[in-house]
Amino acid sequence: GQNIDQPTEMTATEGAIVQINCTYQTSGFNGLFWYQQHAGEAPTFLSYNVLDGLEEKGRFSSFLSRSKGYSYLLLKELQMKDSASYLCAVRVYGQNFVFGPGTRLSVLP
Amino acid sequence: DVKVTQSSRYLVKRTGEKVFLECVQDMDHENMFWYRQDPGLGLRLIYFSYDVKMKEKGDIPEGYSVSREKKERFSLILESASTNQTSMYLCASSFETDNQPQHFGDGTRLSIL
Repeated sequence: GQNIDQPTEMTATEGAIVQINCTYQTSGFNGLFWYQQHAGEAPTFLSYNVLDGLEEKGRFSSFLSRSKGYSYLLLKELQMKDSASYLCAVRVYGQNFVFGPGTRLSVLP
Repeated sequence: DVKVTQSSRYLVKRTGEKVFLECVQDMDHENMFWYRQDPGLGLRLIYFSYDVKMKEKGDIPEGYSVSREKKERFSLILESASTNQTSMYLCASSFETDNQPQHFGDGTRLSIL
């Protein structure tokens, strides 16, 4: 079966750093994706990891440990506009993606 | 810029009606997907297609069918709409290469009365 877990909600303060965790158990692994989704809008692609380690992209970084079935998204210098849901998705064998339930992040002033 | 266009942002239909949701992408992507998104459940895959006239069932295909007659267009059909199909429906497309992300449409919020 396929299972991806994320915390349901997180709250952080503007300017701070927040880490959103994702654990997965899937039948196959062809990479892990993070998406951002603002309320009422489409998810947009943030980052991709297929090898163990950290990928950095500006204020956002994503980490992967395949042996532990674990990833995190790190957001630095939080801004109000970062308030959104963050979706973790695993590309399994074939062409399919499996999504986690998403983490709703609220950034407070 | 990749563009995935869904035909309607909001749609209201009645129980028992046949409902068509259309999705068009302009990036020559091989793969296209239909999801529904419900609070607390995340994105759940209904159907996907990796080529014209090809389709694969996702996790929740019951009550739905799909059509892909052209590479750029993927249609979701609710054969006989029911109230439990009230949801946000998201279409996505991607290249078949492993490291390529999905690109999503803006979604259709469908209400079945």
